[in-house]
Order: sequence, then structure tokens, then C-alpha cells
Amino acid sequence: DAKTTQPNSMESNEEEPVHLPCNHSTISGTDYIHWYRQLPSQGPEYVIHGLTSNVNNRMASLAIAEDRKSSTLILHRATLRDAAVYYCIPTMEYGNKLVFGAGTILRVKS
Amino acid sequence: ETGVTQTPRHLVMGMTNKKSLKCEQHLGHNAMYWYKQSAKKPLELMFVYSLEERVENNSVPSRFSPECPNSSHLFLHLHTLQPEDSALYLCASSPSSSGGNTGELFFGEGSRLTVL
Repeated sequence: DAKTTQPNSMESNEEEPVHLPCNHSTISGTDYIHWYRQLPSQGPEYVIHGLTSNVNNRMASLAIAEDRKSSTLILHRATLRDAAVYYCIPTMEYGNKLVFGAGTILRVKS
Repeated sequence: ETGVTQTPRHLVMGMTNKKSLKCEQHLGHNAMYWYKQSAKKPLELMFVYSLEERVENNSVPSRFSPECPNSSHLFLHLHTLQPEDSALYLCASSPSSSGGNTGELFFGEGSRLTVL
């Protein structure tokens, strides 16, 4: 599995954009980059995934570096409900056996 | 509501008890998973089932015994647990567990287990 490095914690103001970075320098050419988040007292939930191109969905955007060694999850306007632990997870090409790291604790201030 | 339901949400048991955790998914998925989340530790993958067949067992002690009678139900049978087994046990499902899938997992809310 590719090793990931994420900041332990980040803080944001409500209504402002948040950029959550992830380094995955050992990623293989066929690994997808997934992002999940875990709200307090809940199981993790899928946020977004990508392979090479930048991706957008209703929850967030994912910017992937050209060399794929890093990616950034972008929340365009943080809300209090976005306070959670965010996990960046490269997946093996042949499976869904996600390996979670410590993630980034995002705190959102009103 | 993720379509994955876990019961019970909270369980307290003694070290000599036998209990079971139940997971049910209504998403038509073929793969189901058990994860363990201990305090201040990352989620740990315990077991993976694909089409009711166990395809992964990550060196989990035998006091944890999974069962997958059909693709919609997954159980985790517990016996002679230790206090260090106290944790949040999370069930998840996905369309498949291998081959070309993008790996979106749907998690339940977890069963909080306390072993006295």
C-alpha cells in the first residue's frame, strides 16, 4: 500500500474554502486516490476519488498533482457540519480493502 | 442513512460472555467488511467477505469469529474477549471487493463495544 502523509489537524473559518493536502509519493500508477471523512460518532463516508484528472462533485473537489505524488481535497465553503477527520487513501488496483491512516482533523470555527 | 445498519449500537460484556454484532445492508452489494476503531488509533481492517466467501483475514485473534450467511448480512461473533478489545466496530459494504471497482465503501454507524 502507498504510504500517505497528512497534517494532524487544520482549522478553518466558516464559509471560507479549505484545502486539505495529502502526500502519497509511493503511489503506484494504477492506484486511485480516495478521500473519506468521519463525522463525530459516525462511520466514515465517501467524499470523492480520482486517478489522474481533477474531479468535482457536490461535496468537494479533488486536485491531483501532475506527478500524482500529492493531492488536495478542496471544500469550497466550509460549514460547521464539515468538521470531521478527513482520510486520504490510495487504493490497490485490484481491491477495495481501504487502509486508513490517522487522517486530518478539520475544525471549523463560526 | 447509508443503507448499512448495525446492531446493537452499544454493547457491554464481560470477558466470559458470548455475544454477536450484526450488520445488514440494503444496497445490493456483494462485499462486506468488518473494521475495528480503537481510541486514538486508525481504523483497522479485520475481515473481508465477497459473495459470502471470506477473502481476507488480517491476523485477527480467533476470539473474533465472522459469519456471512448471505450477501446482505454479516455477523461478528465474540467470545472470551479482553478489555483491550473495547472499541468501535464498523461494518461496511461495497459493490465488489476485487477487479476494477473504484472502492466506494458504505459504512454503518458502528457498534460501540465495552469489555469489562
